[in-house]
Amino acid sequence: GQQLNQSPQSMFIQEGEDVSMNCTSSSIFNTWLWYKQDPGEGPVLLIALYKAGELTSNGRLTAQFGITRKDSFLNISASIPSDVGIYFCAGQSNSNYQLIWGAGTKLIIKP
Amino acid sequence: DADVTQTPRNRITKTGKRIMLECSQTKGHDRMYWYRQDPGLGLRLIYYSFDVKDINKGEISDGYSVSRQAQAKFSLSLESAIPNQTALYFCATSVADTDTQYFGPGTRLTVL
Repeated sequence: GQQLNQSPQSMFIQEGEDVSMNCTSSSIFNTWLWYKQDPGEGPVLLIALYKAGELTSNGRLTAQFGITRKDSFLNISASIPSDVGIYFCAGQSNSNYQLIWGAGTKLIIKP
Repeated sequence: DADVTQTPRNRITKTGKRIMLECSQTKGHDRMYWYRQDPGLGLRLIYYSFDVKDINKGEISDGYSVSRQAQAKFSLSLESAIPNQTALYFCATSVADTDTQYFGPGTRLTVL
């Protein structure tokens, strides 16, 4: 079946640092979504990408839909304490409308 | 008020018991989903429904059943709970023609 590899699994960063995480797929996707999950809550959509090469920002967050349609990355600039949480990528192909989810990247800010 | 609600938020039960988790939404969305989340595994789809008369199995449907009682309600049942069904369960909804899914707050289920 379709697989999504999300990396890194976790990140320890200093407040103010930039963060980068990515997802790669074994197959082509037509949609990439990035979600964030805070402790005790459900995932919340951050950015949706629908075209290969598309670069989209949401405040300090920027995400890109890879040209090959098999990857996507999410950058967070100048991290702040409220950025902690788990970030998930999810992809969807036209052949299978179900979302395929990455395992998540846990962001931890060093005190 | 939350758009997607789940009850209960926490449940501890014993092996062999029947459990029902409920999901309600006020978003008016046609599509509803049940996911399971385990540490390090992300979200895995259990069942999904595109409308009241449509129910589909997801990646890990064994041991689970669902009922779409109305457009706004989608319940998940564990007929005979087992310990490896201990997990965080999420309900989600989406509009028919978009991919964006909106999640409930989750139900933490522990099976002893």
